[in-house]
Amino acid sequence: SQKIEQNSEALNIQEGKTATLTCNYTNYSPAYLQWYRQDPGRGPVFLLLIRENEKEKRKERLKVTFDTTLKQSLFHITASQPADSATYLCALDIEGGSQGNLIFGKGTKLSVKP
Amino acid sequence: KAGVTQTPRYLIKTRGQQVTLSCSPISGHRSVSWYQQTPGQGLQFLFEYFSETQRNKGNFPGRFSGRQFSNSRSEMNVSTLELGDSALYLCASSSGGTSGTQETQYFGPGTRLLVL
Repeated sequence: SQKIEQNSEALNIQEGKTATLTCNYTNYSPAYLQWYRQDPGRGPVFLLLIRENEKEKRKERLKVTFDTTLKQSLFHITASQPADSATYLCALDIEGGSQGNLIFGKGTKLSVKP
Repeated sequence: KAGVTQTPRYLIKTRGQQVTLSCSPISGHRSVSWYQQTPGQGLQFLFEYFSETQRNKGNFPGRFSGRQFSNSRSEMNVSTLELGDSALYLCASSSGGTSGTQETQYFGPGTRLLVL
C-alpha cells in the first residue's frame, strides 16, 4: 500500500535559520505533491504544489523540491520566524490526478525560537 | 469568498449513538472531501463527493457514510459510535475538475467529536 512518511515529528530551530522538512513516499508515483500548514485547532492551509515533472517550486520564503527517483520532497523555509511555528503536512494524490483523494503524512511540528 | 464552514464545531456523544456533521463548501466548488484526523493516525481520507455522487472512498467501515446535496453542501454520518471515533473531522472543498488538473483543497476548521 502507499506509504508517506515525514521524517521528523518535531523540529526546533532558531529564528533566522532555514528549516528543512522531509517527506518520503513508497509504492506509488504521484502526479503531484502538496504541502500544507496546520495551526492548532484549525484545518490545514495549502502552501505549495509541485508536479512530478518539476524539480523545484518557490513562493516567497518557501521552497519545495521533488525528486521522483528518490521518492522524496524537501520543504524549506528560509529566514524562519516564530510565526512560522506550526505543523507542516505533505500530501500526495493517489488517483493519478483526480480530486479529493489525498494521503497525508503525519506532519512535522516546527518550532521557531526567537 | 467565504471559506469552508463546518457545523457543529464541537460535539460530545456516547458510544452507540449516531452523529451527523455538516459542511458548506466555498461557493462554486463542487467537490467535497472528508477526512478524519487523530494524533495517532494523522489525516485519513474518508470519502469525496462530486455533483452529489461519491467519487472516491477511503478505507473506513460502513458506519461512516456521507451525501452531497444539489447545492454542494455535504453531510457525513457516523452510526453506532465507538470510542475510537473521537477525532477532528475535516471537510475540504475544491472546484473538482476532471482528472489531470491538480487542484488544491480548502479545508474547513473541522468538527471535534468526542465519544464517551
